[in-house]
Amino acid sequence: DQQVKQNSPSLSVQEGRISILNCDYTNSMFDYFLWYKKYPAEGPTFLISISSIKDKNEDGRFTVFLNKSAKHLSLHIVPSQPGDSAVYFCAASSYFSGAGSYQLTFGKGTKLSVIP
Amino acid sequence: DGGITQSPKYLFRKEGQNVTLSCEQNLNHDAMYWYRQDPGQGLRLIYYSQIVNDFQKGDIAEGYSVSREKKESFPLTVTSAQKNPTAFYLCASSPVRAGAGGELFFGEGSRLTVL
Repeated sequence: DQQVKQNSPSLSVQEGRISILNCDYTNSMFDYFLWYKKYPAEGPTFLISISSIKDKNEDGRFTVFLNKSAKHLSLHIVPSQPGDSAVYFCAASSYFSGAGSYQLTFGKGTKLSVIP
Repeated sequence: DGGITQSPKYLFRKEGQNVTLSCEQNLNHDAMYWYRQDPGQGLRLIYYSQIVNDFQKGDIAEGYSVSREKKESFPLTVTSAQKNPTAFYLCASSPVRAGAGGELFFGEGSRLTVL
């Protein structure tokens, strides 16, 4: 059963408008939520994260909102640019003190196309 | 420059052959990971290692093997026992400390095609 879900496989947005990418999760024990951006045939790159104790984190054009009661987070990109066209993965992490590491669970990704 | 280097970027293999994918990092990270990506799928964890000479199975370890003899290196062997090995393989690393948030640093990936 998927613990992290991105229900929209794709999204198209006009340049300059807002892109909103959504993610739902089922495990209330996740510590952090992260967004990664991935271009074809390349590794994902970290975009922005949010701690489970916060409800908003902003970095330039990118803002992530967390609604813990709804187990939902979203990534807002404003204004959207053609270079933002990529697959965006939502991920949730849990820290395992015994193992001494974080474990990430990824969603299936949303392909964003920003139309000039 | 610090980063993660995966090689080869593209690899073709005949059925029944083992193949090893290389992953090297100079970020001084303790933890390293191997993920697999298939079309329309998220990243699925194959193996991970928090420390030299120790590694753990992830969600889809069957048909794969790893070693961690050096902190910088975490090679993945795709064995002939892996039933569907054609995929994009991603290596990642992270610092091991609480509060780090779990950010992973990824390599550029290796695409394996079984003929």
